[in-house]
Amino acid sequence: EIVLTQSPGTLSLSPGERATLSCRASQSVGFGYLAWYQQKPGQAPRLLIYGTYSRATGVPDRFSGSESGTDFTLTISRLEPEDFAVYYCQQYGSLPFTFGPGTKVDIK
Amino acid sequence: EVQLVESGGGLVKPGRSLRLSCTASGFNFGDYAMGWFRQAPGKGLEWVNFIRSKTYRETTEYAASVKGRFTISRDDSKSIAYLQLTSLKTEDTAMYYCSRAPETNYYDGSGYYLPLLDAFDIWGQGTMVTVSS
Repeated sequence: EIVLTQSPGTLSLSPGERATLSCRASQSVGFGYLAWYQQKPGQAPRLLIYGTYSRATGVPDRFSGSESGTDFTLTISRLEPEDFAVYYCQQYGSLPFTFGPGTKVDIK
Repeated sequence: EVQLVESGGGLVKPGRSLRLSCTASGFNFGDYAMGWFRQAPGKGLEWVNFIRSKTYRETTEYAASVKGRFTISRDDSKSIAYLQLTSLKTEDTAMYYCSRAPETNYYDGSGYYLPLLDAFDIWGQGTMVTVSS
């Protein structure tokens, strides 16, 4: 089973700042199948990034994904008020599919 | 509008059963794999299972925590995915979400195509299951 570790647990930033969220996999993620989801309180997860780099339909271009080996990064170039939420990474390249524990981005 | 709506959640005693439904609209249901996820109160997301489309013989995969107790199925004529939960435990208490995933193939270079799922792109709003005596 691939274990995903996200850091930091909480990121306190101001609107307009850049957010960098990390997700480290315990082993190689097959086919680069790493996704990022955003979840707000009381809402379902929303797909932001799939296949490590690709933005889902309707996702603003301030969201971007990258990787270096087994380290994956979600970058939000300039935080908007609606971006304060919890972000999860998920690998779907091998079974069982697994999620990281999440990074909460809150307002400083 | 592409939409998934879960139903069937509720309060149930340990050891009992429950069936959840996920009704799809706005897309060709039969072309997608369908999956279930859950989230215990205040906790993170957990993948539960998925079922492939008829193209891939409706094969299923399960997380170890639910294998043998939960069963996923689908009725393409009604655009509904089901999750049958049996032998429920208190630790199954969670919000249950259904989601769809496009299917794809990976050619392994030796004549075989591996069926893969792309990311789960549309999610329902969830249905709450509480297991308590």
